[in-house]
Amino acid sequence: QVQLVQSGAEVKKPGSSVKVSCKASGGTFRSNGISWVRQAPGQGLEWMGGIIPNFGTVNYGQKFQGRVTINTDESTSTAYMELSSLRSEDTAIYYCASFRSYGPSDYYYGMDVWGQGTTVTVSS
Amino acid sequence: DIQMTQSPSSLSASVGDRVTITCRASQSISSYLHWFQQKPGKAPKLLIYAASSLQTGVPSRFRGSGSGTDFALTISSLQPEDFATYYCQQSYSNIWTFGQGTNVEIK
Repeated sequence: QVQLVQSGAEVKKPGSSVKVSCKASGGTFRSNGISWVRQAPGQGLEWMGGIIPNFGTVNYGQKFQGRVTINTDESTSTAYMELSSLRSEDTAIYYCASFRSYGPSDYYYGMDVWGQGTTVTVSS
Repeated sequence: DIQMTQSPSSLSASVGDRVTITCRASQSISSYLHWFQQKPGKAPKLLIYAASSLQTGVPSRFRGSGSGTDFALTISSLQPEDFATYYCQQSYSNIWTFGQGTNVEIK
């Protein structure tokens, strides 16, 4: 089964940007979509957005519209999430997760493979 | 956005107990509802997808039910490894949302 391996921890200044990568190890994205989910310290899960590369579908959570960009490099089977204008409230663990998808809006299957998480700390 | 409300927020139970967690959507989401388990310091794990389909490798004591707006996750006989936080999540709309989580603790 494909594993997702994320980039390492980041420490950023307020106002800067962070780009987290998520590489499929042992396979490719194939017909899978990739979502990004974050979890602030002691808090619940928060969906940020997702992409289905085969169909060019990209969606973002309203809270993150204009600040987040999700894309993929299929040649390296790597997905990226870039978050800009960072503030202290963006301090969190960021996860990528893949889900099977057979259509541009096929969200029937759950996120079944998760990366290990990337800790992003925003501090002056 | 579709709001997902889980109840209870936390519960205490003993090994062997039957446990039910509910999740209500602010509008109909058909069967586009998934359940995850998360243990401290770990990534979430998919238990149930499409409301009632058991993910490969997940023990059969986990059961999902419901459709439309009301859903439930039932653990038929709680095991020591089941103490964790559980989340529901909808994928009916293009904007996905999670419930706030239910923490299952040892009584």
